[in-house]
Amino acid sequence: GAGVSQSPSNKVTEKGKDVELRCDPISGHTALYWYRQRLGQGLEFLIYFQGNSAPDKSGLPSDRFSAERTGESVSTLTIQRTQQEDSAVYLCASSLRGHSNQPQHFGDGTRLSIL
Amino acid sequence: ELKVEQNPLFLSMQEGKNYTIYCNYSTTSDRLYWYRQDPGKSLESLFVLLSNGAVKQEGRLMASLDTKARLSTLHITAAVHDLSATYFCAVDDAGKSTFGDGTTLTVKP
Repeated sequence: GAGVSQSPSNKVTEKGKDVELRCDPISGHTALYWYRQRLGQGLEFLIYFQGNSAPDKSGLPSDRFSAERTGESVSTLTIQRTQQEDSAVYLCASSLRGHSNQPQHFGDGTRLSIL
Repeated sequence: ELKVEQNPLFLSMQEGKNYTIYCNYSTTSDRLYWYRQDPGKSLESLFVLLSNGAVKQEGRLMASLDTKARLSTLHITAAVHDLSATYFCAVDDAGKSTFGDGTTLTVKP
């Protein structure tokens, strides 16, 4: 498809398990972002990739969170030893490049529930 | 650290009325974005504002940017039910965006 694709759309797992979330950005978009959105709240920045530059990890809430990106394509967000407070919708977005006049294009998100 | 504040956070208005949503931010930036989010859905881009004095309009929505005041407004004219959604402003911060908490708009008949 032409948009940002995220998988899975829903994930339910037990506390303490590891989870991996995937994002396929729009082809040609060099900038990729991950956000967390708790129920009824705004977006919390997690991490930003721009081309081959070192990612901006300043929003990752703890060392249980990590993300990788393969070149300018797929990204995975990994949460280790999940906790109940990790329950949220995780949104991925991409744009032509960061710091530009282009808005971000968002995927539909992964709804993560930790039991 | 860049802070972005929106107000009001919740807005209930009748169809046909006008209202303004405000977005204040704490540090210099010349790029501001407005997004719409419907319940259970992802975010959709509405406006990109790139300079002081920029004004963009789409249907019943008009957005403006005053970089000196560090303020953007989203004005709703003659509201209709279809505008019910949550509206977010986001300010560019060295290539990434800092989002406000959103304004949830409910338009009643």
